[in-house]
Amino acid sequence: GAGVSQSPSNKVTEKGKDVELRCDPISGHTALYWYRQSLGQGLEFLIYFQGNSAPDKSGLPSDRFSAERTGGSVSTLTIQRTQQEDSAVYLCASSLGARKNTEAFFGQGTRLTVV
Amino acid sequence: KQEVTQIPAALSVPEGENLVLNCSFTDSAIYNLQWFRQDPGKGLTSLLLIQSSQREQTSGRLNASLDKSSGRSTLYIAASQPGDSATYLCAVRRDDYKLSFGAGTTVTVRA
Repeated sequence: GAGVSQSPSNKVTEKGKDVELRCDPISGHTALYWYRQSLGQGLEFLIYFQGNSAPDKSGLPSDRFSAERTGGSVSTLTIQRTQQEDSAVYLCASSLGARKNTEAFFGQGTRLTVV
Repeated sequence: KQEVTQIPAALSVPEGENLVLNCSFTDSAIYNLQWFRQDPGKGLTSLLLIQSSQREQTSGRLNASLDKSSGRSTLYIAASQPGDSATYLCAVRRDDYKLSFGAGTTVTVRA
């Protein structure tokens, strides 16, 4: 596709359930990032992928959060045993690589609501 | 740790007025700075990317300046229109990949 695609656009889940969020980056972009935007808060870095490997997972808030990327393309962010504080918009971005001066492009986000 | 601040948090102007949005950052060792626009309930749209070696970047009615030594960037939007109403975010890249974001300036352009 022409841009970064995220699915679903909205997800309502019950507390304690697991959820999977999907990101399809721009074709040819080797770098992929996940960010979280909570209501009234700024963007919080979660994880970065270069190809299929994740050299920086420092932003994942707890061990309930995990992410993988396969084929150097699609990435899935999984949240296990969801809690109400996980409610936020999850944004994915991609860029051509980890080169210093590459532009990052964001998807439309997945709005997660835990009830 | 890189701290990014955007002032003001909100701005309301009449249509036709020029907009000036400010972004400051604490660590001047950045690789680039990117300005984004976010409409309510939407993702981020990239507006301008300024490399660390550049002083400014222009696209249509938008002009962004960068003063690395003082840790500041300014986004100018000329002749504002109601369609410019959105939240504007600046982000700096210090490491090779991670972007650090400000909290944004929410702009309302009154018709």
